[in-house]
Parts: sequence; structure tokens; C-alpha cells
Amino acid sequence: QQQVRQSPQSLTVWEGETAILNCSYEDSTFNYFPWYQQFPGEGPALLISISSVSDKKEDGRFTIFFNKREKKLSLHITDSQPGDSATYFCAANSGGSNAKLTFGKGTKLSVKS
Amino acid sequence: NAGVIQTPRHKVTGKGQEATLWCEPISGHSAVFWYRQTIVQGLEFLTYFRNQAPIDDSGMPKERFSAQMPNQSHSTLKIQSTQPQDSAVYLCASSFDWGGYEQYFGPGTRLTVL
Repeated sequence: QQQVRQSPQSLTVWEGETAILNCSYEDSTFNYFPWYQQFPGEGPALLISISSVSDKKEDGRFTIFFNKREKKLSLHITDSQPGDSATYFCAANSGGSNAKLTFGKGTKLSVKS
Repeated sequence: NAGVIQTPRHKVTGKGQEATLWCEPISGHSAVFWYRQTIVQGLEFLTYFRNQAPIDDSGMPKERFSAQMPNQSHSTLKIQSTQPQDSAVYLCASSFDWGGYEQYFGPGTRLTVL
């Protein structure tokens, strides 16, 4: 039973394009959704996050769109750069005593120049 | 701020040997988490501590795996009688918030069991 799902598994875009990474979840108690960026040989790095009270969060070229009713969110990376090539993980937790993160399987993004 | 520190970065053990992995959380962070990452299973939660007290170990295999946090500056994950299926990257994360928001990960320890 996969609580957090990501699509696509892999994505290739050209430099300067917008990459769109999708995520959906099942547990309605989830209220916090971070996205992590991971390069080979490194640990996941917190990129941007959103709480369930918001429908959009922007940080530079990275934007999360959140639809609570449909239990879906997406990460948009505008003006994609070759340095953005990495695996991106969507995660979720319920906070409080249930602080553990539940992760999706990740989307591997390749940005071609 | 040095970030979360994990040692060793790589560990190779023979089947049946013991492995101890170390984690130093970010100073001032009150919650420490352990996760495991494999190609097949992805990122899986193992256990977490809040102010050094064990809170949730629902992801820990019940036999052979144990975790401790003897003081606020380090936590250990011990695997007894290691098996090839224990091969994975073990990741430690810490957060300032008790709710686990904004968890910051270390670089991980790659455990290989031969």
C-alpha cells in the first residue's frame, strides 16, 4: 500500500523549459508536504515545502501547487538548468506524534542543454 | 552549522557480523530520525527520538535492529548478525520541530553486507 505516489518515474526536459513533477497521497491526516532533491552519493536535501492550509508555495524557480480536495500536489521547476538534474522526492507527514515522513518513489529529472 | 554528520560513510561487513552506525544531529534540534534507502523499497522510516526519548520504532525490523540516543549530540543504529538484505544506505535526519517538519538529512552510511 503506497501512501505517496509520484509520477513520472523519469522526466527529461531541455534547458530553459518548465519541469512538472506530480505527487498524490492517500492519508487525509497528512498536513505537511516537503520536496527533497537528491544527487547521487548524497543525502536528500530539503528543497521546498508546503502545509495543507496553503494552495501554493513559491521559492525562486521552484513552486508547489497543492489541491487538498484531490489529494494532489505538483512541483514546477521553471527555467530548468542542467544542475537541476537529480532525483526529486515528494514526502508527507501528519506532524505531532506522527512525525515520520512517508516518501514517494521519486522522479528522476534530466535537464539537457 | 555543519549539518547532520554520519559516520562511517561506507561500511562493509560479512554476513553475521555486527554493524554500528553513528549520527550527530544538528545542534539544537530536538528530533532525530533514521531512514533506510534501497533501490527497490525507496526511502523507508525506521525510528525516531524526541529529546532523546524513543517515540516511534514502527519501521524497525523487530529482530537484530536497535537504536539508541544516549545524549542530545548523537544517536546510534546497531544491526546485529547482518544479512545481505540489510545492505542499504542508512540516513539520519534531524529537525528542530517536534512535529518532524523541516527534517534535514545527513549524507548517509552505505552498508554493504557480503
